[in-house]
Amino acid sequence: EPEVTQTPSHQVTQMGQEVILRCVPISNHLYFYWYRQILGQKVEFLVSFYNNEISEKSEIFDDQFSVERPDGSNFTLKIRSTKLEDSAMYFCASGTGGGETQYFGPGTRLLVL
Amino acid sequence: GENVEQHPSTLSVQEGDSAVIKCTYSDSASNYFPWYKQELGKRPQLIIDIRSNVGEKKDQRIAVTLNKTAKHFSLHITETQPEDSAVYFCAAGIDTDKLIFGTGTRLQVFP
Repeated sequence: EPEVTQTPSHQVTQMGQEVILRCVPISNHLYFYWYRQILGQKVEFLVSFYNNEISEKSEIFDDQFSVERPDGSNFTLKIRSTKLEDSAMYFCASGTGGGETQYFGPGTRLLVL
Repeated sequence: GENVEQHPSTLSVQEGDSAVIKCTYSDSASNYFPWYKQELGKRPQLIIDIRSNVGEKKDQRIAVTLNKTAKHFSLHITETQPEDSAVYFCAAGIDTDKLIFGTGTRLQVFP
């Protein structure tokens, strides 16, 4: 069964550094999402992406965040200048849309020191 | 703003008993309600979902009910087993839109 994949599984970075989190959605999916989960808390929506543009973003997704689909398979989340409070598990998800299921990747655990 | 409330935050049951988790959503336009199971350090895994044109859905030991008028939906797990122990999240969404997650329920099933 196809799955969403994410790399790296863990990333440690210094405050102020840029990080890029990578995702490979399921191949026939058209809708892509990033969520984050601070340790012990609920999953929070960051951004949704369709047809090569952002369709919706949350208040968390400020100017420090950007997303890109650089080719036909990858979907990336960039954090330009990381802050301590960006430490969290970041999940990519993809779906076929139209109220269909969103499938989550295994996550990237980001630790900002 | 949009919000999903989930109760209880923790639930302990004896193996073989039933477990019920309840959620309430605020956005009346929501029409898609998935439930995810998350084991420690793992990704959320969809276990069942329901759409607003259906009042109840069952899959083996798991069932979900939806009351659109009251904006409530619930997860029912019967004949619980130790491997059901995990954190369960409800969520609400509109078509292709974002999912708004509840705060999670930590279910512990004791043998």
